Amino acid sequence: QVQLVQSGAELKKPGASVKVSCKASGYTFITHGFSWVRQAPGQGLEWMGWISTYNGNTNYAQKFQGRVTMTADTSTTTVYMELRSLRSDDTATYYCARAFGGIVTTTDYWGQGTLVTVSS
Amino acid sequence: DIQMTQSPSSLSASVGDRVTITCRASQDVSKYVTWIRQRPGQAPKSLIYAASSLQTGVPARFSGRGSGTNFTLSISSLLPEDFATYYCHQYKIYPLTFGGGTKVEIK
Repeated sequence: QVQLVQSGAELKKPGASVKVSCKASGYTFITHGFSWVRQAPGQGLEWMGWISTYNGNTNYAQKFQGRVTMTADTSTTTVYMELRSLRSDDTATYYCARAFGGIVTTTDYWGQGTLVTVSS
Repeated sequence: DIQMTQSPSSLSASVGDRVTITCRASQDVSKYVTWIRQRPGQAPKSLIYAASSLQTGVPARFSGRGSGTNFTLSISSLLPEDFATYYCHQYKIYPLTFGGGTKVEIK
């Protein structure tokens, strides 16, 4: 069965970077890309971007352009999301979600989430 | 960006009730809408894609309808695990955008 297991909670200071991992299993890794979605405490869902596990192509939300990098490691079936220059309003739970579909993809399976807290 | 507007923002219902949630897109998204359920303290779970297709393993009490700009999610008979927040999102064009959520509470 499809499983997405994310790395543990992080506490970071403003200005630092965080790298969240999402290990996939139970299917052929390169057949599905991934979206990253975040959720601030008590708030709704916000899409950050998408990565193809087949060729590494990415599509980032404009809001995060220049601050986010998504990568995929086919040898370990793991995708990563790095966010730099962290601010207090980046405090959120970050989710990876397996993508499927055509040119623009939707989501089917989700990771359990990684809480990132940004505080001095 | 395409705006997704859900209504109501919250509703109260009882186990066994039928509920319907509405999602409106600011422009035509064809059938490219997914519905998601998020139970308190848990990760989201995708229920329906392409407006009306059930994800694998999702029970038939969930159904989706719509195309263009107007979409609905219905739950035919609420179970205790259905008390949660529901989100729609469009995937017609990037960036993916989500509705603000509808919280289904126990009456």
